Amino acid sequence: AQSVTQLGSHVSVSEGALVLLRCNYSSSVPPYLFWYVQYPNQGLQLLLKYTTGATLVKGINGFEAEFKKSETSFHLTKPSAHMSDAAEYFCAAHRGTGAGSYQLTFGKGTKLSVIP
Amino acid sequence: DAGITQSPRHKVTETGTPVTLRCHQTENHRYMYWYRQDPGHGLRLIHYSYGVKDTDKGEVSDGYSVSRSKTEDFLLTLESATSSQTSVYFCAISERSMDLAKNIQYFGAGTRLSVL
Repeated sequence: AQSVTQLGSHVSVSEGALVLLRCNYSSSVPPYLFWYVQYPNQGLQLLLKYTTGATLVKGINGFEAEFKKSETSFHLTKPSAHMSDAAEYFCAAHRGTGAGSYQLTFGKGTKLSVIP
Repeated sequence: DAGITQSPRHKVTETGTPVTLRCHQTENHRYMYWYRQDPGHGLRLIHYSYGVKDTDKGEVSDGYSVSRSKTEDFLLTLESATSSQTSVYFCAISERSMDLAKNIQYFGAGTRLSVL
């Protein structure tokens, strides 16, 4: 079964510093990969997605992620953190084909704190 | 929240009582999902629906049932609520598309359920 691992349940960065949130997936078949963001007391909002093609994916709010098949990783980055980036971030994957392919498997989430 | 309304937004109930949560969409999407979110667990799929009257179990379906009599409504029922079902519940929707890259899940704002 597909699994998604997010390293670090809580990450703190200073305002203006690089944001790096780590995500690894387990499937031997590269899945479709997603990053979602959840602001306090809200639902999940799609940040970006990787399906096929270019391995560097750009999303909203200045975030981007790079798909690395050799490392089974899909880490999320942002060059300069803003206070408004403080939220919880979820990496997710689905197989894209076959039975249950529409189901998403989520990582456990990483809470990002931004220090002024 | 992509035309998704969850009701109620907050509910407090007692152990042993039945509870029904409603998800209503205005997007005419075929797929609908119920997740629960718990600290340290991320989001876990409870049940999903791939059409009217077509539903299937997810990862954590025990103690939950669902129904979908109309495209726009997906109900989650806790037949006899237990304290372990205290959680935040999210509904999500996605359209069915031959372009699998378009099968993105969109989330509602969530229902916070407390079972005392």
